[in-house]
Amino acid sequence: GAVVSQHPSRVICKSGTSVKIECRSLDFQATTMFWYRQFPKQSLMLMATSNEGSKATYEQGVEKDKFLINHASLTLSTLTVTSAHPEDSSFYICSATPRGQNPGNTIYFGEGSWLTVV
Amino acid sequence: AQSVAQPEDQVNVAEGNPLTVKCTYSVSGNPYLFWYVQYPNRGLQFLLKYITGDNLVKGSYGFEAEFNKSQTSFHLKKPSALVSDSALYFCAVRGPNTGGFKTIFGAGTRLFVKA
Repeated sequence: GAVVSQHPSRVICKSGTSVKIECRSLDFQATTMFWYRQFPKQSLMLMATSNEGSKATYEQGVEKDKFLINHASLTLSTLTVTSAHPEDSSFYICSATPRGQNPGNTIYFGEGSWLTVV
Repeated sequence: AQSVAQPEDQVNVAEGNPLTVKCTYSVSGNPYLFWYVQYPNRGLQFLLKYITGDNLVKGSYGFEAEFNKSQTSFHLKKPSALVSDSALYFCAVRGPNTGGFKTIFGAGTRLFVKA
């Protein structure tokens, strides 16, 4: 099946610094990728929809200047958490759908990235 | 509002017994329904989906789910549970009325299978 890779799987950063998380579709092209945040023992919260070659669409309540998303190619989207604070510590997951397929097709998820801000 | 409900936070079942994880949805139109499984500290793995056709869908690892339009349900089932099935299960819905084909996830149900 299709593979979505996230890197890094775990990262620890200091308060006030920025950290970048990459999401790559390894064997397919994805015009759209999604970024989620998951708190312990909770469901996934959609943060934003990443569109290749255009600006990301953010969900209500998500600060676009804090969570910068860049979808520079058909296989790579990045999430940068700027000026990180301890409350940004969370599990971040990306997903992608193969280009050209209809919305009923499967969405593939990355393995997730644990961010700890100290 | 479009939503997905997983009424049980946790399901406990003995190994070898059948298991059911419940899911109901409130989405207008003809949505696409999915089940995903998440193991600790991992991403989500696709189990199965319903798009159209036969109401009984078979998926990975022996799981199946039955789409019931009148009850707006899509319960996940397995005839004989394994200890290794213990994980967090998410029901998800996607469709033309979920905001640009975004995926709406249920809150998740934690399955514990005892040996």
